[in-house]
Amino acid sequence: GAGVSQSPSNKVTEKGKDVELRCDPISGHTALYWYRQRLGQGLEFLIYFQGNSAPDKSGLPSDRFSAERTGESVSTLTIQRTQQEDSAVYLCASSSGYLEADTQYFGPGTRLTVL
Amino acid sequence: AQTVTQSQPEMSVQEAETVTLSCTYDTSESNYYLFWYKQPPSRQMILVIRQEAYKQQNATENRFSVNFQKAAKSFSLKISDSQLGDTAMYFCAFSSGSRLTFGEGTQLTVNP
Repeated sequence: GAGVSQSPSNKVTEKGKDVELRCDPISGHTALYWYRQRLGQGLEFLIYFQGNSAPDKSGLPSDRFSAERTGESVSTLTIQRTQQEDSAVYLCASSSGYLEADTQYFGPGTRLTVL
Repeated sequence: AQTVTQSQPEMSVQEAETVTLSCTYDTSESNYYLFWYKQPPSRQMILVIRQEAYKQQNATENRFSVNFQKAAKSFSLKISDSQLGDTAMYFCAFSSGSRLTFGEGTQLTVNP
């Protein structure tokens, strides 16, 4: 596709369940980022991938959060034992990875609601 | 750690008028990059404009321009000839390499 895609668009889950959020970056982009946006707030960095490795995962809020990337394309963000404070929009972005601070292109996000 | 501050939670402007959104940041880095992103109700984050800190010239993209004051650590966005489609949340962001650090955002409403 032409842009970054994310699925599902919306996810409602019960407290304590596990969820998986998916991100398909722009084809050829080696850098991939996950951010979290709570209601009415700015974006918080979660994790950064360069290729399949994650040189910066310092933004993951707890060990319930994990992410992986395979084949230098699709990435999955997993939240285990979800809590109500995990409710937010989760945004994925990708960039070419060749330039320092090159432009990040964002997907439409997944809105997660934990009941 | 870098911080980005947007002191105007909400602003409004009349169509065709000019509006300026404020942003300040704090960093000890000497080389970095600054961005303005727009987020309409669709949630899609759209890059508006980008500024490299080593460049003295202010960036311009059509109706959008910035006033970058490196010593004051200020990075304001000016929107000229405002259009109804400019209504959105605007985020200022900082990067010194990979991750972006965002401000809290300014909700801009353009009134007809």
